[in-house]
Amino acid sequence: EAQVTQNPRYLITVTGKKLTVTCSQNMNHEYMSWYRQDPGLGLRQIYYSMNVEVTDKGDVPEGYKVSRKEKRNFPLILESPSPNQTSLYFCASSSTLIFGSGANVLTFGAGSRLTVL
Amino acid sequence: KQEVTQIPAALSVPEGENLVLNCSFTDSAIYNLQWFRQDPGKGLTSLLLIQSSQREQTSGRLNASLDKSSGRSTLYIAASQPGDSATYLCAVTYAGGTSYGKLTFGQGTILTVHP
Repeated sequence: EAQVTQNPRYLITVTGKKLTVTCSQNMNHEYMSWYRQDPGLGLRQIYYSMNVEVTDKGDVPEGYKVSRKEKRNFPLILESPSPNQTSLYFCASSSTLIFGSGANVLTFGAGSRLTVL
Repeated sequence: KQEVTQIPAALSVPEGENLVLNCSFTDSAIYNLQWFRQDPGKGLTSLLLIQSSQREQTSGRLNASLDKSSGRSTLYIAASQPGDSATYLCAVTYAGGTSYGKLTFGQGTILTVHP
């Protein structure tokens, strides 16, 4: 089944304890991206990647890191989590998101709910 | 900076009504616009994608239109059903400076269809 898999789905951690949220897709998609969803603020893009070793900042990249060493994986790293990073996180992927007839829809993961105490 | 606005924020209709959800964006230099559905506590499901060169897309009871020059898109839902109850979000993909994979979402419209 074609899907985007995020882990963990739920996590409670403490301020300053490094954590990684993994994202993996099995559709050979070039484009992958991370979002956070907060009440009243909606969904905001954190980082995205057009392909392996190509990453760029979205609208809210502060406090996050990403890497794209393999096509299928795009982990989100919080080096020193803070309470304001408590949120619902989504990973998504697509093939050729941008141009012409090759543009395809985004496929989202089920979400990871993170609480930082 | 691209800003995406959705009106109304919430909508409650009786079953069977046709309805229109609105999405507006400030920068018309977009690559595409997508409409998504989100059920409570769940991820997003893509409904329709309209490329910048297109005017509309249809899928079943859904029809989405795009007017780039005015910065507007509408999602038309025909013969609404209780199962259509969800939050509907639009998102635009655009070039932000040297970045060409940026994507901005609207705040969403919460739709309730009652029997």
